[in-house]
Amino acid sequence: AQTVTQSQPEMSVQEAETVTLSCTYDTSESDYYLFWYKQPPSRQMILVIRQEAYKQQNATENRFSVNFQKAAKSFSLKISDSQLGDAAMYFCAYNNAGNMLTFGGGTRLMVKP
Amino acid sequence: EPEVTQTPSHQVTQMGQEVILRCVPISNHLYFYWYRQILGQKVEFLVSFYNNEISEKSEIFDDQFSVERPDGSNFTLKIRSTKLEDSAMYFCASSEPDRGAIDEQYFGPGTRLTVT
Repeated sequence: AQTVTQSQPEMSVQEAETVTLSCTYDTSESDYYLFWYKQPPSRQMILVIRQEAYKQQNATENRFSVNFQKAAKSFSLKISDSQLGDAAMYFCAYNNAGNMLTFGGGTRLMVKP
Repeated sequence: EPEVTQTPSHQVTQMGQEVILRCVPISNHLYFYWYRQILGQKVEFLVSFYNNEISEKSEIFDDQFSVERPDGSNFTLKIRSTKLEDSAMYFCASSEPDRGAIDEQYFGPGTRLTVT
């Protein structure tokens, strides 16, 4: 079974600074998809960024980018120029085309003004 | 922008009672999902639904749970006899996978279920 691990229960960053959230996963599949979801206090799950495992280029979405290391099974999220609105729980998730998302335990990000 | 909606936002029920959680997926989506999140814990997959049948389910989704698409727009999760440990946030999601690709799962705002 696939597992997703987020080793940082909490992180904090100063506004306008950069922070990196870690995620590792375990799978025997070669083709899969990885996602970062943001969950603000409202608890709605919002997709931040996605990465297809067959793509070597790291995905970027404005201030959000990933460092995808397939051999190491690592998928970290970098948030640049952090804003107060970035404060939330961040979940890493895995999908190997079986429709089911497997989530990590989450990292709570605090942004200090 | 189209979105997934869920009703009610908060449901309080007594142990042993039946509850039905309702979801309206995005209209052109083909795959539907239920997830749950016990307070302070990770989001867990319950079930996926495609072409009017369950396509995948987790070990959490036992005989107490059922899903239905009663009409062209609603997707429901029923818990027949609620237990205290069913208290959680329940998220509905939908997606429309492209051919050969995994599409984004769009999540609803969740229903908070409290079993007393």
